[in-house]
Amino acid sequence: DGGITQSPKYLFRKEGQNVTLSCEQNLNHDAMYWYRQDPGQGLRLIYYSQIVNDFQKGDIAEGYSVSREKKESFPLTVTSAQKNPTAFYLCASRGFSYEQYFGPGTRLTVT
Amino acid sequence: SQQGEEDPQALSIQEGENATMNCSYKTSINNLQWYRQNSGRGLVHLILIRSNEREKHSGRLRVTLDTSKKSSSLLITASRAADTASYFCATVASYDKVIFGPGTSLSVIP
Repeated sequence: DGGITQSPKYLFRKEGQNVTLSCEQNLNHDAMYWYRQDPGQGLRLIYYSQIVNDFQKGDIAEGYSVSREKKESFPLTVTSAQKNPTAFYLCASRGFSYEQYFGPGTRLTVT
Repeated sequence: SQQGEEDPQALSIQEGENATMNCSYKTSINNLQWYRQNSGRGLVHLILIRSNEREKHSGRLRVTLDTSKKSSSLLITASRAADTASYFCATVASYDKVIFGPGTSLSVIP
């Protein structure tokens, strides 16, 4: 999973609570991404950031928020406005040939 | 809308056989990439092929790209049980966005 860490691996929350997922990279990459994966599905882009202090919405940004205060860190907050937050969340950074390096993922369960 | 679509959705083969997965896409691309995902893990980048390349090899992997048909194929030769995973194609049209297909689930039976 080379250089991208995500924590925790499993996360359980009650409905109505906000929760923040951590993503850290030591690859010195400028661009970072957050994806959501549902069972048996591909990846859907939530947010991405090309550079510190800048980020853009992806295809399914509603109910999520991000920050990019440091190059190494791109935390994702799942807010209570996200209607169906239970999913597997993957963070990635972009390499110099546009390949993506993924973290091990965080499985979020909201009950 | 999905840019890449893999085919088949699921594939089951015997160890030692070859596995072929296909990917079709809709718009012009800069490059196309293939990734592997073991169950419950992050994705691992396998190979990247640029729009001006037609074929690329990496170990037991062979990727082809036909831009006129907007399609790519991934061939895994002499498959092993450890190749059991989901395989995703990803298209890059602009430098800031990678779009993943829904994936092919490969099972290699020992």
